[in-house]
Amino acid sequence: NAGVTQTPKFQVLKTGQSMTLQCAQDMNHEYMSWYRQDPGMGLRLIHYSVGAGITDQGEVPNGYNVSRSTTEDFPLRLLSAAPSQTSVYFCASTHRTGYGYTFGSGTRLTVV
Amino acid sequence: GQSLEQPSEVTAVEGAIVQINCTYQTSGFYGLSWYQQHDGGAPTFLSYNGLDGLEETGRFSSFLSRSDSYGYLLLQELQMKDSASYFCAVSSNTNAGKSTFGDGTTLTVKP
Repeated sequence: NAGVTQTPKFQVLKTGQSMTLQCAQDMNHEYMSWYRQDPGMGLRLIHYSVGAGITDQGEVPNGYNVSRSTTEDFPLRLLSAAPSQTSVYFCASTHRTGYGYTFGSGTRLTVV
Repeated sequence: GQSLEQPSEVTAVEGAIVQINCTYQTSGFYGLSWYQQHDGGAPTFLSYNGLDGLEETGRFSSFLSRSDSYGYLLLQELQMKDSASYFCAVSSNTNAGKSTFGDGTTLTVKP
């Protein structure tokens, strides 16, 4: 099993550019989430989903969009990149509440 | 809303026991989880407590008191490889699928 796969692993964007961070899981998990982690900080929830077609906002959703058209995929779109979005982005999935999340290896994003 | 507090740093020596505390404020509390993250890596799940009491998994144990909104992670027989950041996270029964993380505790294990 691949688990949770994130692409790309590294990305440099110019201010104002848009891009999509990809996340795919092969564990048939219903719940998926996107977190960002700034240096020396905890994980802040951006958006989450409890199943295909269902998404909701987390703590820091501004500047990001998500969609969940399939159980497997949960892409995160940056609409117009800003230097404040420089961070490490983690995608995670789990069966349901009460089970631990499996995290992807992360995408390290720099916005210049 | 949800908020969690845990110490920012803890230091211990190899072979010792260390406890990392976590207090939380949340509406619709469902359970408390713990994760480990090594520098440059992804968080990995350690344990989950949905009910009061102690859960043991090898050298790691986790405790929850729902009435005190408090939990802790206990690491025994510390090894150098346990040097990492440890995060507590609360899950909600009013917003299924939403888990909020604390800011993390950096554990340094010294020889």
